[in-house]
Amino acid sequence: GAGVSQSPSNKVTEKGKDVELRCDPISGHTALYWYRQSLGQGLEFLIYFQGNSAPDKSGLPSDRFSAERTGGSVSTLTIQRTQQEDSAVYLCASSHPLLGDASETQYFGPGTRLLVL
Amino acid sequence: GQNIDQPTEMTATEGAIVQINCTYQTSGFNGLFWYQQHAGEAPTFLSYNVLDGLEEKGRFSSFLSRSKGYSYLLLKELQMKDSASYLCAVSSDYKLSFGAGTTVTVRA
Repeated sequence: GAGVSQSPSNKVTEKGKDVELRCDPISGHTALYWYRQSLGQGLEFLIYFQGNSAPDKSGLPSDRFSAERTGGSVSTLTIQRTQQEDSAVYLCASSHPLLGDASETQYFGPGTRLLVL
Repeated sequence: GQNIDQPTEMTATEGAIVQINCTYQTSGFNGLFWYQQHAGEAPTFLSYNVLDGLEEKGRFSSFLSRSKGYSYLLLKELQMKDSASYLCAVSSDYKLSFGAGTTVTVRA
């Protein structure tokens, strides 16, 4: 597709349930990132995938959060046993680190708005 | 750790100029980005600075001083559609660390 896409656009769940959020990066982009944006807060880095390298998981807030990227393209962020503080917008971005001047420019998807009741 | 500071809010009049400052203290530096984010939408790329100096792109310019850990985004000839949040982000090791964003309100 032309840009980064994410699904679902909105998700309402009950505390304790698991959720899966999906990201389709821009075709050909080898790097993929997940961020979380809570109300009134800056974007918080969660995890980074680059090609076939081991992901950088240093931003994941707890072991309830995990992510995988299949075939170097689509990624899924899973939150287990959701808590109310997990309510936020989850943004995915992709980039092509080998191209041009602004080679690390990250292009963002529209995000998934998660509300945990 | 990463520390990126920018003002929370700014208000300006249509047609005017606004300057959004960003100061940073980070471990590692691969460049500084500015993004624009309208309410309920994804951040969109505005500018990228990796060398000291001014980068101009139409009505928007961005400045960087690496020795001072300082950048600014200059918005000229403000239009109502420029009302948005402006995010300063520092890249290190390919990760972006964001400031909390500056909400700019343009008044008629």
